[in-house]
Amino acid sequence: DTGVSQDPRHKITKRGQNVTFRCDPISEHNRLYWYRQTLGQGPEFLTYFQNEAQLEKSRLLSDRFSAERPKGSFSTLEIQRTEQGDSAMYLCASSLVIGTGFDEQYFGPGTRLTVT
Amino acid sequence: DAKTTQPTSMDCAEGRAANLPCNHSTISGNEYVYWYRQIHSQGPQYIIHGLKNNETNEMASLIITEDRKSSTLILPHATLRDTAVYYCIVRAASGGSYIPTFGRGTSLIVHP
Repeated sequence: DTGVSQDPRHKITKRGQNVTFRCDPISEHNRLYWYRQTLGQGPEFLTYFQNEAQLEKSRLLSDRFSAERPKGSFSTLEIQRTEQGDSAMYLCASSLVIGTGFDEQYFGPGTRLTVT
Repeated sequence: DAKTTQPTSMDCAEGRAANLPCNHSTISGNEYVYWYRQIHSQGPQYIIHGLKNNETNEMASLIITEDRKSSTLILPHATLRDTAVYYCIVRAASGGSYIPTFGRGTSLIVHP
């Protein structure tokens, strides 16, 4: 399967613990996006990378959240000191954009986080 | 990004055309209309996009009004597997911010 993969698919953690999610984009895709989705809502943008550079961050991305994309390949999203309000589906998407071209995002299956 | 307005839910009989409307009255001249869908427990899937002209691909057709203030996604022969939440978003193709705003979308139920 050459699509976007995310690991783990499900994570249950206790409030106050740190969690880290991984996203492996489609090979050679230069853009990588993170979204958060709660029940009944559409995905909400968190941040995105162009290669290894983090270019945009949403106000939703508090200081407890950090994302990295070393070497412009896979990405990690870490949440420190988790709160119950962090419970959500965390989606990753990747795309290949050349110049000013079209940005078609391919989404992964998501990581469902439950904070107890 | 301009905001969009979609009906909360729609239903359609299997084999019939499903026409999903979207209003985007504040769309800017350089913003495209994109459609995604999300089947339960999966990530969103790209369907189609357009700027001014109507577009068609193997999944759907996109009809954009001349003033670009609204559009309609058409699934010509809906199947049960088309049951999903459909999102209409507008965003610039290049230059500026690439932050897409999904909204709540339209929950389409295709029934036998």
